[in-house]
Amino acid sequence: RKEVEQDPGPFNVPEGATVAFNCTYSNSASQSFFWYRQDCRKEPKLLMSVYSSGNEDGRFTAQLNRASQYISLLIRDSKLSDSATYLCVVPFSGGYNKLIFGAGTRLAVHP
Amino acid sequence: NAGVMQNPRHLVRRRGQEARLRCSPMKGHSHVYWYRQLPEEGLKFMVYLQKENIIDESGMPKERFSAEFPKEGPSILRIQQVVRGDSAAYFCASSPPGQGFEKLFFGSGTQLSVL
Repeated sequence: RKEVEQDPGPFNVPEGATVAFNCTYSNSASQSFFWYRQDCRKEPKLLMSVYSSGNEDGRFTAQLNRASQYISLLIRDSKLSDSATYLCVVPFSGGYNKLIFGAGTRLAVHP
Repeated sequence: NAGVMQNPRHLVRRRGQEARLRCSPMKGHSHVYWYRQLPEEGLKFMVYLQKENIIDESGMPKERFSAEFPKEGPSILRIQQVVRGDSAAYFCASSPPGQGFEKLFFGSGTQLSVL
C-alpha cells in the first residue's frame, strides 16, 4: 500500500459546483496533514493544514477521519481559478519537514 | 523578502553530461530540502541539508547524485552522467530552524530535460 494515495481524476465540474477529494494514508501514527495546490507543474503551495478533526477556510473544508485513515478536501462554489492539482501531504514521522506527497488529484472547473 | 530562488528555470542536457541545480533559500532559512517530481507523479523527497551538513539523504539515488549546502552560497544538487530517466522537475524548499510545516516554502523548480 502506498503511503499516501489519491484518486488522480480529473474531476471536471462546472462553476459553482461542490467537489470533494479523498486521500488515504498508511501511517496510523501521523498527527498532521496538509493539502497543497499545484498549478501547471509550478511549485506546490500550502492550501490548508489539518491537525485535529478538520479545518475550514472560506470555501474550502478539510476533514480528517483517523479511524479510516483518510483526509478529505471539500471545495464549495467552485471557481475557474480553482482548476489545479491538489496534493495530499503527510509529514514523515522523523521530526523535521520531510513530507510525503500524494500524486495529486486534478480538478478542472469549466464555465 | 525574496522567496526561495532556484536556477536555472529550465535545463537541457544530453545523456552523459552533468547537471547542476541551484537553490538559494529564503532569508533567515538555514534548512534546505530537495524534492523531485517525475511526470504524473507526486513530489518525492530526496535530501535534507543544513549549512555544511547533510542531515538526511535517504531519498537520493545511490549513484550520480550529490547535494551540498556550503557555508556561503546556494545549495547545489548535482547529477553526474545524466540519463533520460533523470528528466523531471526538481523543487527546493527552505524553512527556518525549529519551525513547523507552515514555514516551509518551495521554489519555482528547475525543469531538467535530458535528450
